[in-house]
Amino acid sequence: KAGVTQTPRYLIKTRGQQVTLSCSPISGHRSVSWYQQTPGQGLQFLFEYFSETQRNKGNFPGRFSGRQFSNSRSEMNVSTLELGDSALYLCASSLGGNLSGNTIYFGEGSWLTVV
Amino acid sequence: DQQVKQNSPSLSVQEGRISILNCDYTNSMFDYFLWYKKYPAEGPTFLISISSIKDKNEDGRFTVFLNKSAKHLSLHIVPSQPGDSAVYFCAASGASGGSYIPTFGRGTSLIVHP
Repeated sequence: KAGVTQTPRYLIKTRGQQVTLSCSPISGHRSVSWYQQTPGQGLQFLFEYFSETQRNKGNFPGRFSGRQFSNSRSEMNVSTLELGDSALYLCASSLGGNLSGNTIYFGEGSWLTVV
Repeated sequence: DQQVKQNSPSLSVQEGRISILNCDYTNSMFDYFLWYKKYPAEGPTFLISISSIKDKNEDGRFTVFLNKSAKHLSLHIVPSQPGDSAVYFCAASGASGGSYIPTFGRGTSLIVHP
């Protein structure tokens, strides 16, 4: 069974530009969540989508947005990029039920460098 | 306000010995706890989890212990191997909007010396 797939793996953008990252969850998983990892900050939760609806949101500015499609694939977008947005962006998927024991599985991540 | 804390940024252990990674949490609503392992330039890999109804869960060389009264959990790796060298993240989840999204600690970098 294929794991979580993220594209692109690496990208370089200029300040002020916008970027779109893509994530395909594990087959059968309906929840997709996004995390940002920067050195020393651990994994910071961005948002979670379930059945095409944003169900949870972390403390990030409105420049960070996402969406989920009917096939559970998800995209996240960052507009007006800043140098501080340089990070590893991780997508994770899970079955997403409202039950304890919800394990999430991560993709390889998309490395974004803003110059 | 960190709800999940890994107070040791790094840990160095000799091959064959036990590695003990610690994690503390503050939110009493957390009822499911997970450990992930991360190599550089890769996504985190799920290692082991434990539900709050248990105090121990074992999977091969990995054992997680949960002390609910102290809001503390630990991951034991026995015996440690050089391939275990990675960053280990502790995570906790509980009822929050009904989605159980894990909150992560900042990680502990484990180095296992041959």
